[in-house]
Parts: sequence; structure tokens; C-alpha cells
Amino acid sequence: AQSVTQLGSHVSVSEGALVLLRCNYSSSVPPYLFWYVQYPNQGLQLLLKYTSAATLVKGINGFEAEFKKSETSFHLTKPSAHMSDAAEYFCAVSAKTGNQFYFGTGTSLTVIP
Amino acid sequence: EPEVTQTPSHQVTQMGQEVILRCVPISNHLYFYWYRQILGQKVEFLVSFYNNEISEKSEIFDDQFSVERPDGSNFTLKIRSTKLEDSAMYFCATAPGSTSTDTQYFGPGTRLTVL
Repeated sequence: AQSVTQLGSHVSVSEGALVLLRCNYSSSVPPYLFWYVQYPNQGLQLLLKYTSAATLVKGINGFEAEFKKSETSFHLTKPSAHMSDAAEYFCAVSAKTGNQFYFGTGTSLTVIP
Repeated sequence: EPEVTQTPSHQVTQMGQEVILRCVPISNHLYFYWYRQILGQKVEFLVSFYNNEISEKSEIFDDQFSVERPDGSNFTLKIRSTKLEDSAMYFCATAPGSTSTDTQYFGPGTRLTVL
């Protein structure tokens, strides 16, 4: 079975500061891992994904995530937060193509001017 | 860039009524999904659909729910007799075939309010 745990339901950072959103996964098979962002009143937009290629994955809007098998983690980072990054961020895991995604509970990111 | 579209954006219904939520997948995608997100909670899987049949479904997807792709383009979720607890945002997602990436592309959602 697959699952993800997102530590910290709310994260606040100052504009220009490092963003770190945590995601740990549990999977009985090599996982596919995803980060999605949800802006207010909008759907889910893919930020980046890991599908067993490079362990450091770069996504849109300056975000990146590193797959660490030893830590079963896939944390999302961005070197410098921007006001427009304020949103809800979801980590998700899937076992293979066509399978359902298992989402974390989400982390709400607030960027303080 | 191709997008998944969903209609309506907001549906208000009375308890016990039937609702149909519609989704237009990205062209040539083969896998289709419905998820829901109750306000303040995580996104939950409902059902996946491939090759014109359900491939997976969750405990939430009981006999009140059904899915179909009636005309080869729209992908619909029907709730036969809505309950108050069905109030949620319903997301459709689609994914390419197995020769491509595994990304699921989500639509903007339909907010269902059951009164």
C-alpha cells in the first residue's frame, strides 16, 4: 500500500526566504511521487514529479524536490519565496501508471512580506 | 496547452436528488479518475476508469456513485441520491497511456453543495 505524510499543515516564510515543505512516503514498490499546488478556488496544478529517473527533480516556478530512498522522503524546496507562492501544496504517491494517487493532507504556505 | 475541463463549476442540489458531473479529458488520454476534496480535508480517490471500465474504486465509491463515458469524450460521475456529506469539490483527472508519463492532469473541479 502507498501513503504520504506531510509534516506541518501550515508553513509561514518571509518573502525571499527558503521554502521547505516536507513529504514522507510509504510504498511497498518503487514509488512515483508528485507535488501539486492548489491556488485558492482553483484545481490542482502539477509542480514536479519523480518517476525513478534523476533523484533531484526540478519543477515549475523555481521549485525542486529530492527523492531520498534512505529517508523515504520527497521534500519540496524553493530557495527564495515569492508572494505568489502562497497556496496549498499536496504531495502524492502512486505505484504505477493508471493507479490511484494517494494524497497527503496538504501544507498551506503563507508568504509574509 | 491542453486542459481537463469540468462542468458545472458549481452545483447546488437538494438532498436525495441526482447529480451528474461532467469532465472533458485531454485528447488521447486513456486513464480517467474522479477525486473529491471535502472542505478542509485531503484529496481522496474515488474511482479510476480505463478501457471503458472501472479499474479501481475506493470505499467511498458505493452504489450511489457511477461513472461512464457515454459518447467517447465526456467522462461523467453520477451520484444517484445525494447526501449532505457528498458536499465537496470533485476533481476529474486524466492521464496518458502507459507509454508516456504517469502524471495525472486535474481539472478545475466542480463544487457540489447538497442542501
